[in-house]
Amino acid sequence: AQSVTQLDSQVPVFEEAPVELRCNYSSSVSVYLFWYVQYPNQGLQLLLKYLSGSTLVKGINGFEAEFNKSQTSFHLRKPSVHISDTAEYFCAVTLNSGYSTLTFGKGTMLLVSP
Amino acid sequence: DGGITQSPKYLFRKEGQNVTLSCEQNLNHDAMYWYRQDPGQGLRLIYYSQIVNDFQKGDIAEGYSVSREKKESFPLTVTSAQKNPTAFYLCASSAEQGYNSPLHFGNGTRLTVT
Repeated sequence: AQSVTQLDSQVPVFEEAPVELRCNYSSSVSVYLFWYVQYPNQGLQLLLKYLSGSTLVKGINGFEAEFNKSQTSFHLRKPSVHISDTAEYFCAVTLNSGYSTLTFGKGTMLLVSP
Repeated sequence: DGGITQSPKYLFRKEGQNVTLSCEQNLNHDAMYWYRQDPGQGLRLIYYSQIVNDFQKGDIAEGYSVSREKKESFPLTVTSAQKNPTAFYLCASSAEQGYNSPLHFGNGTRLTVT
């Protein structure tokens, strides 16, 4: 079975600063990886996904993530954050073969202050 | 606009009562899911359905029941057997089960049982 670890439950950052949200996964087979964002009292929206190919994946709202197979990581980055990026971010993994549902990490709350 | 509608947004019930949460989608998606979200716990899968008249238990199905009589509808019943039902419930759908098909989420129902 696969699992996901998001190492930070909260990340405070000032506006216009860069940010990295960390995600590590565990799986004995190859995986697909996702980042979702959740604004207060709403559902989740897909930010980006890694299926295959280039290990650097670009998503919406200026976010990008890099798949590192040797480190089993999929960290999310943004070079300059805005107040509106304040939200909870979830990393998720599914196996890329056979039958598998999506497993989510516990989330990282990004708090952007002026 | 296509999407997922969850109703109601807030729901209050007395302990010992069953309650049904509604989820409707007009995305023509085959697969539908129910997740439970608790603070600091991420999302945990309750039930999912790949096609009409078929559904499977997720990681925390005890105390819940579902039906899938129509493609667009996937209601969740929280029974009195669920020991700790107060939570935020999210419904999602995807074009097909598993692999790389991203999830589309509703805006959730916050259930409070007293």
